[in-house]
This record gives sequence, C-alpha cells and structure tokens, in this order.
Amino acid sequence: DAGITQSPRHKVTETGTPVTLRCHQTENHRYMYWYRQDPGHGLRLIHYSYGVKDTDKGEVSDGYSVSRSKTEDFLLTLESATSSQTSVYFCAISEAGRTYEQYFGPGTRLTVT
Amino acid sequence: AQRVTQPEKLLSVFKGAPVELKCNYSYSGSPELFWYVQYSRQRLQLLLRHISRESIKGFTADLNKGETSFHLKKPFAQEEDSAMYYCALSGAGQNFVFGPGTRLSVLP
Repeated sequence: DAGITQSPRHKVTETGTPVTLRCHQTENHRYMYWYRQDPGHGLRLIHYSYGVKDTDKGEVSDGYSVSRSKTEDFLLTLESATSSQTSVYFCAISEAGRTYEQYFGPGTRLTVT
Repeated sequence: AQRVTQPEKLLSVFKGAPVELKCNYSYSGSPELFWYVQYSRQRLQLLLRHISRESIKGFTADLNKGETSFHLKKPFAQEEDSAMYYCALSGAGQNFVFGPGTRLSVLP
C-alpha cells in the first residue's frame, strides 16, 4: 500500500459538533482528494488539492472545508456535523501527470448521531 | 455534466463462467475511463484504464464511444475475482467521477 494513513479510523460524534479528519501521505504526491462512500452512490468527490494551499471543490462540497498547509497533510473539516454526513470517508493521492491513478487510504467511518 | 452508471448492484456468477460488468457514461468531451476494484479488507485500487488497452488479471474493457459504454469483461471468472468494482471517468480538470459500484460474487 502507498504511504497513506487516515486518522481517526472510526469516530462517533453528535449533531452540531465540529469534526476534523486527517489524511497523511509519505509519497510526496502533489494531488490529494477527499471522497465519501455511500451505498448506491459509490465514491463522490468532496474536495481536492493540487498543491500546498491550493484546493478546489468537488461534487459534494457543501458542509465541508479543507486545508493543506503541508504537502503531506490534507485535512477535512465538518464545521457542524449533520446526520447526512454519516459516511465512510476516503483520502486518495496521485502524482502530477498521473492523476488517473489514485492511491487510496484505508478510510474513516464517521457516524453522526 | 459527467455521470457514470453501473446498472447492477450485485452480480453473481459461477466459477469458470464469463462475466461482464456494465458501465455507461455521459460526458460531452473525450473522457478517460477506468475500472477500480476493492477486494475484501483491501484498499480501492486501479484495475485498468482504457487508454492502455491492456488485460489485467484476465479482465479487459473496451471503450465504445457510440454506446458510451466501458464494460468490464473476463471470459472465465475465478473465486478471487469476488470484489466491489467501480467504473470511473475523468474529464476536464481533476474531477474524477465514480459510478455506484457493482459487487461481483463468484460462486464455487
């Protein structure tokens, strides 16, 4: 597996609380992505980053923000978690020029009660 | 808008039988199409891409622009092929769109 870790791996939180998920890579890849995986929807892109401090929105960005202050870390923040954000969140990385080949992290299972 | 559909949520075949996982897409430009696979307790990984026109683990996929399809095929399924398969499309920019996935179950 490519050097991608996600923390925490599991989290249960209450509606309205802020939550931050962390993705850490040791591959020095330029691109990083956050997806959510839901039954019937597959993986949907939330946000992605194409460099330090360079980020853009994906298909389902409402209610989420991201930050990338270092090449190796990409943070996903739910400012005020809602039950609809209960999901499995995957981080992925890819090299510049080979963005089609994404390497995925192990996932974070988030439950919002 | 980019969209990928996979009409089958679950596909069950017997070992040794042919298998075809269907994928259709909508995109106004020239897309790149891919198949990703997730085996049990493993991470999602790239299986193949249409540009390379290669066969991986006996699987092939041909891009049919007329039918906007990119079906994944294997002539003789093996039990170790059981997994979740996602078709994906990459268009302009870095927006990657995945289909909803098909769970393939190969029965002994």
